[in-house]
Amino acid sequence: GAVVSQHPSRVICKSGTSVKIECRSLDFQATTMFWYRQFPKQSLMLMATSNEGSKATYEQGVEKDKFLINHASLTLSTLTVTSAHPEDSSFYICSARSQGEAFFGQGTRLTVV
Amino acid sequence: GDSVTQMEGPVTLSEEAFLTINCTYTATGYPSLFWYVQYPGEGLQLLLKATKADDKGSNKGFEATYRKETTSFHLEKGSVQVSDSAVYFCALSDSNAGKSTFGDGTTLTVKP
Repeated sequence: GAVVSQHPSRVICKSGTSVKIECRSLDFQATTMFWYRQFPKQSLMLMATSNEGSKATYEQGVEKDKFLINHASLTLSTLTVTSAHPEDSSFYICSARSQGEAFFGQGTRLTVV
Repeated sequence: GDSVTQMEGPVTLSEEAFLTINCTYTATGYPSLFWYVQYPGEGLQLLLKATKADDKGSNKGFEATYRKETTSFHLEKGSVQVSDSAVYFCALSDSNAGKSTFGDGTTLTVKP
């Protein structure tokens, strides 16, 4: 099946700094990608829909100025957590669809200290 | 909006026991249904899927049947192994919007 690669897999950053997470579709083009957030022992919650060449669509309650999404090409979407705080510590997962099926990245565990 | 209700866990079974994890959904239209598995510290892996009513998805001994009349997609396995210990997520996907809606996840622990 199609492969979605997410990088980095783990990142620790200091409070107040920004962190960028990349999501790449390796063998297919994705005009739309999705970013999810997973708190410990909880389910995945959709944060935003990333659209190539246009603005992302954010779910209710997600701060667009804090979670910057850029989808500059058909194979790459990035999520930047700006001015990160400990409460932003979480597992972030991206997905992209190929031939009607969603493929997920490996996830990024962000720890803000 | 769309929603998925999944059997609460955690579930603890002995090796070779029978597994059922219940999943029901609410959706407009005709979604595709999925079961994903997440091992500790890892991302999601697709376990099986069904795209229309009465379809049965199966993989690695796991099965689930898309029941439109009961809006359910229960996961079953006849004989679990220790290596099946993981978190299982039921999900649906709207083919038009492309996004996925997940259940809360069920943690399965299989003891030898």
